[in-house]
Amino acid sequence: GQNIDQPTEMTATEGAIVQINCTYQTSGFNGLFWYQQHAGEAPTFLSYNVLDGLEEKGRFSSFLSRSKGYSYLLLKELQMKDSASYLCAVNDNDYKLSFGAGTTVTVRA
Amino acid sequence: IAGITQAPTSQILAAGRRMTLRCTQDMRHNAMYWYRQDLGLGLRLIHYSNTAGTTGKGEVPDGYSVSRANTDDFPLTLASAVPSQTSVYFCASSDIAGGPNEQFFGPGTRLTVL
Repeated sequence: GQNIDQPTEMTATEGAIVQINCTYQTSGFNGLFWYQQHAGEAPTFLSYNVLDGLEEKGRFSSFLSRSKGYSYLLLKELQMKDSASYLCAVNDNDYKLSFGAGTTVTVRA
Repeated sequence: IAGITQAPTSQILAAGRRMTLRCTQDMRHNAMYWYRQDLGLGLRLIHYSNTAGTTGKGEVPDGYSVSRANTDDFPLTLASAVPSQTSVYFCASSDIAGGPNEQFFGPGTRLTVL
């Protein structure tokens, strides 16, 4: 089966940096996604990593180490609107995604 | 319509009733997916379809069925609803043609089975 672990909750202050870690053990690997989900809404795509290293996209960056089964999502210059759940998902060899339970980030003023 | 839509937005259903959740996309994506999302468990795949005419079972398929008669529509049917099927259901689609295979999600259907 698939095993994807991420912390349940994180709290940070507006303007700060938060790093959300994700570890995975899956039967296949064809890339790792991060999604953002605001309460009561659908998940929306944030980032994709298939090779080792850092992908930067504005205030958000995502890192992957395939040998360690590890990824993190880095959120910089936190804003109140960044309060949401962040979902780590692994793409297996059959184009299916397996999701972690999600990390709820609360940004405080 | 633009993107992916789901209907109904929410529904309260008596146990034992039959229910079909509708999903339509206009992006001409070949693959479509149904997930359920429960507190603390995250998104779990129910069924999927990599192309029109084919379907496959996901992680939690029992009690659900799907069909994929054409590219755009992917309905999910609960033949005889039970309270444990109370959940938020998300439909998603993606274009399997190499690359990231990013999935786009519909707005969800909140289903309560009493």
